[in-house]
Amino acid sequence: RKEVEQDPGPFNVPEGATVAFNCTYSNSASQSFFWYRQDCRKEPKLLMSVYSSGNEDGRFTAQLNRASQYISLLIRDSKLSDSATYLCVAGIGTSYGKLTFGQGTILTVHP
Amino acid sequence: DADVTQTPRNRITKTGKRIMLECSQTKGHDRMYWYRQDPGLGLRLIYYSFDVKDINKGEISDGYSVSRQAQAKFSLSLESAIPNQTALYFCATSDLKPGQGMSNEQFFGPGTRLTVL
Repeated sequence: RKEVEQDPGPFNVPEGATVAFNCTYSNSASQSFFWYRQDCRKEPKLLMSVYSSGNEDGRFTAQLNRASQYISLLIRDSKLSDSATYLCVAGIGTSYGKLTFGQGTILTVHP
Repeated sequence: DADVTQTPRNRITKTGKRIMLECSQTKGHDRMYWYRQDPGLGLRLIYYSFDVKDINKGEISDGYSVSRQAQAKFSLSLESAIPNQTALYFCATSDLKPGQGMSNEQFFGPGTRLTVL
C-alpha cells in the first residue's frame, strides 16, 4: 500500500466548476501536510499547507481529518489556469524533514 | 535568478556511462534532497542531506551516490547508468533545522530530464 494515495484522475471540468480532490495517508506519525501543484514538465510548487482546523486561500480550501487519515482540496470557480497536477504530501514527525508525495491528480479545466 | 538550479536540464546517455547531476541553491538552506519522478509513481526520495557531513539514503538509493560539496551544492551520481534510471530528477531544499520535529516546505529546482539508452 502506498503511504500517500490519490485518485490519479484525470478530472476534466468546465470553467467555473467546483472540483474536489481526496487523499489518504497510511502513516499515523505524519504531522505536516501540503498540497503542491505541478505544471507539465515543471517542478512542484507549494500550493498550500493543510492544517487540522482547515484553511482557505482564495478559491482553494484544504481540509485534514486526522482520525480518518484523510486530506482534501476543494477548488471553487475553476479557471483554465488551474489545469495542472495536484500532489498530496505528508511529512513524518521526525527531525529529518522528509516528505512523502502522492502520485498526483491530473486536473484539466476546459472552456 | 532561480533559487535552486540544476544542471544539466536534459541529458541523453548510454547504458554503463557515469553521469553526474548537479544542484546549487542560493536559499541558504541546510537540507537538500534528490528525487526522481516517474509517470504514475510520483516523486520518490533518492538521498537527502542535513548538512555537508550528514547524508542519508532515501527509499530508492540503489544505483545512485551523492556528494554534498558545500552547503549550497548537492550532486547526484549514477555510477553506471541503466535504462530504468530514465526519469525526471528533482533537487529540493528546505530550511527545517534538526530537532524541530516538523517537516517544512521544500523548494524544487527545475528538474533534469535524463534518458538512458
